[in-house]
Amino acid sequence: DAEITQSPRHKITETGRQVTLACHQTWNHNNMFWYRQDLGHGLRLIHYSYGVQDTNKGEVSDGYSVSRSNTEDLPLTLESAASSQTSVYFCASSETRTGQPQHFGDGTRLSIL
Amino acid sequence: RKEVEQDPGPFNVPEGATVAFNCTYSNSASQSFFWYRQDCRKEPKLLMSVYSSGNEDGRFTAQLNRASQYISLLIRDSKLSDSATYLCVVTSNYGGSQGNLIFGKGTKLSVKP
Repeated sequence: DAEITQSPRHKITETGRQVTLACHQTWNHNNMFWYRQDLGHGLRLIHYSYGVQDTNKGEVSDGYSVSRSNTEDLPLTLESAASSQTSVYFCASSETRTGQPQHFGDGTRLSIL
Repeated sequence: RKEVEQDPGPFNVPEGATVAFNCTYSNSASQSFFWYRQDCRKEPKLLMSVYSSGNEDGRFTAQLNRASQYISLLIRDSKLSDSATYLCVVTSNYGGSQGNLIFGKGTKLSVKP
């Protein structure tokens, strides 16, 4: 069955370090998204991609970057981790751009000390 | 006005009760609407799409009122397993992000024996 997987599931790191969260989907979806979820804020869009070599900033993109070198993967990088980036991160994908539901990965719990 | 607004709850109901959640959205041009379910510390999962004519899936009924920019979810004969947070989701209609999903903060439901 097609799926979307995130790794690691949990990570603890220190401020200032570079961190990369992996997202891999086997749906062959062109559209991929990264969200963070914090209490009181719901899901907020960090970055998204509509296809290979395409990346776009979302609502809360500062301090994050993504790259899309193939259809299956959209890694999220925290260039210099800050305590404010402690959160649960979800990756998602969808088949088309125009309002299709998104399929989510299991999430990565990231703690920055 | 926030883009998607939901009553955060919690809604505490006994098994077998009927419960209704409401959601309002600000963008009159939104084209697609969904309800997602999120269990504690898990990823959001699509519960159902919401169609203009209203739609039903077993014990769940979703309705859309475009004139009032209002979406509802009705759960009949509540089960313990329905306990979760329910997210109202609409599509963005802003420029390059047209079609992306905007998530409400969610309404928490707790079904008690």
